[in-house]
Order: sequence, then C-alpha cells, then structure tokens
Amino acid sequence: AQKITQTQPGMFVQEKEAVTLDCTYDTSDPSYGLFWYKQPSSGEMIFLIYQGSYDQQNATEGRYSLNFQKARKSANLVISASQLGDSAMYFCAMRATGGGNKLTFGTGTQLKVEL
Amino acid sequence: DGGITQSPKYLFRKEGQNVTLSCEQNLNHDAMYWYRQDPGQGLRLIYYSQIVNDFQKGDIAEGYSVSREKKESFPLTVTSAQKNPTAFYLCASSQERQGMAGANVLTFGAGSRLTVL
Repeated sequence: AQKITQTQPGMFVQEKEAVTLDCTYDTSDPSYGLFWYKQPSSGEMIFLIYQGSYDQQNATEGRYSLNFQKARKSANLVISASQLGDSAMYFCAMRATGGGNKLTFGTGTQLKVEL
Repeated sequence: DGGITQSPKYLFRKEGQNVTLSCEQNLNHDAMYWYRQDPGQGLRLIYYSQIVNDFQKGDIAEGYSVSREKKESFPLTVTSAQKNPTAFYLCASSQERQGMAGANVLTFGAGSRLTVL
C-alpha cells in the first residue's frame, strides 16, 4: 500500500524568504513518481513539480525545488523567495507503477506568506 | 485552450436524490479520474478510467457510479446510497505513457462543490 505523510498542517513564512514543506512517503514499489500540487482558495489543483524514483538529480521548476532523499523516503518541497501569491494549500502525492496508476495524496500543508 | 471543464461549480441536493457531475476534457487524454476532497483533508480517489468503456473503483467508490462512453467525458453520479455526499469533487485527466506510469501528470478541473440539504 502507498502512503503519503505531511506532518505540517500549517506554515507561515515572510515574503522573500525560503520555506520547506515536508513530505514522507511509503511504498514497496521500486518505480514511482512524486508530485507536488498547489491548491489556492479557488479550489483548482495546480501541478508544481515532479520527481521520479530513478532520477539522479533533484527536480527544479523556477522557484520550486524538490529535496529528494530516497533512503529517508522524503520529498520535501522548497519554495524560494516566497511571494504573497504562494499562500495556498500544498499537497504531496505519489504514484507507483505497481499501484494501479493511482495518485495518492497527503493531507496537505496550508502555507501563509506574510509581509 | 485545452483543459478540463467541470459543471456545475456549485450544486445543492436534497437527501435521497441522485445527482450527476459533469467532467469534459479536450486534452485528448486517455485516462480520467474522480477525486473527493473533504475539509482539511487530502484527495481520495473515487473512480478512474484508463480507456473508453472501461473504469475501475478507487478507494471510496461506494455510493458513486461513473460511465466512460466517450474519451472526452467522464460523468460522476452521486447516488442516494452515498451516506455523506457533501464534499468538493475534482475531476482529472492524464496522458498515459507506456512504461512511465509514475511520471504521468494529472491535470485537474476547477471542481464541483456538492452540498446536501
């Protein structure tokens, strides 16, 4: 069975600072993908970044980077130079090849960016 | 612009009534999904379909039904058998690439919020 754990229900960060959102996962499948999505108050889910289990380097997309530590089964999202528009709910998710192509989500972290 | 359209955005239903949520995509994606989100929680998979005329139950399929008669459309019916249907429902789609199932990114619609009165 696949499981995603996000232990931070809420986080605060000051504008222009960096913030790390934690995510740990559990799977016995050697082939899997890790995703981060942003959900603003409007409700839509916006894809941010992807990391494959066999990727040698940490994924980066603009101000987003994924700190992938395979041995620790963690996939933390780092947002650099936070902006007010980054205030949203952030979800970590995993999809394993042997998991029936199902995307499993964590419970999310509410991020608030302050002036 | 390509994307996923969900309707209605807001829906109110009386207890005992069935209701159907619409999901249409013009991304030419093979796979489509329905997720349910409750306040303060992550998304839980209801049903998914990888090809036309075929679909599989997700983790919380009881009280729901779907159909996939066309590639573009994947409607979800919330039946009266669903004990607690008030929730936010999200539809998604993905282009399945052979041998790279873990890499397939899901694109989501804007969601439908169902309230049972």
